[in-house]
Amino acid sequence: GAGVSQSPSNKVTEKGKDVELRCDPISGHTALYWYRQSLGQGLEFLIYFQGNSAPDKSGLPSDRFSAERTGGSVSTLTIQRTQQEDSAVYLCASSSRDLTGELFFGEGSRLTVL
Amino acid sequence: AQSVSQHNHHVILSEAASLELGCNYSYGGTVNLFWYVQYPGQHLQLLLKYFSGDPLVKGIKGFEAEFIKSKFSFNLRKPSVQWSDTAEYFCAVNMPGAGSYQLTFGKGTKLSVIP
Repeated sequence: GAGVSQSPSNKVTEKGKDVELRCDPISGHTALYWYRQSLGQGLEFLIYFQGNSAPDKSGLPSDRFSAERTGGSVSTLTIQRTQQEDSAVYLCASSSRDLTGELFFGEGSRLTVL
Repeated sequence: AQSVSQHNHHVILSEAASLELGCNYSYGGTVNLFWYVQYPGQHLQLLLKYFSGDPLVKGIKGFEAEFIKSKFSFNLRKPSVQWSDTAEYFCAVNMPGAGSYQLTFGKGTKLSVIP
């Protein structure tokens, strides 16, 4: 597709369960980002992938969070043993290799942990 | 760590009023600056950006922003708002000179325009 695609768009899970969120970036974009958007908190950086370089994981809030990017394209964000405070909208964005930093965002995956 | 401050959490204006949303950042080196907008039910999209050159940049839908380096500011302006400008606005910065490509966002300003 022409834009960044994320799935699922909505996920309701029980506390303690694991969840996987998927992101399919714009074709040809080498940089991929995950952000978390919580009400009143703005966008919180989670992790950044650029090409074959080691990812910047500095924003991951705990070791329950992990992400991978296979083949330089699709990325999966995994949250293990979910907690209620993990409830948020998880946004994926991609950009081209240059340093202009313009990000193209997906619609997000809304996670609700009961 | 760098930070971005947006001074107003929620702004309410009548149509045709002028708009100015404040944004300040904390990094003293070379920065790229952005304003993103999120309309209700839609994804974030770029409104305008500044990399270098003329500090007054113009974006889509009549928006503009002015980079004032001495004040570490990048305020967003529009002379006359419309109901369709109702949205949440996010200021963001990255620091390519420091090797930081990730965007750091402010907490956002919600704009409500009353017809």
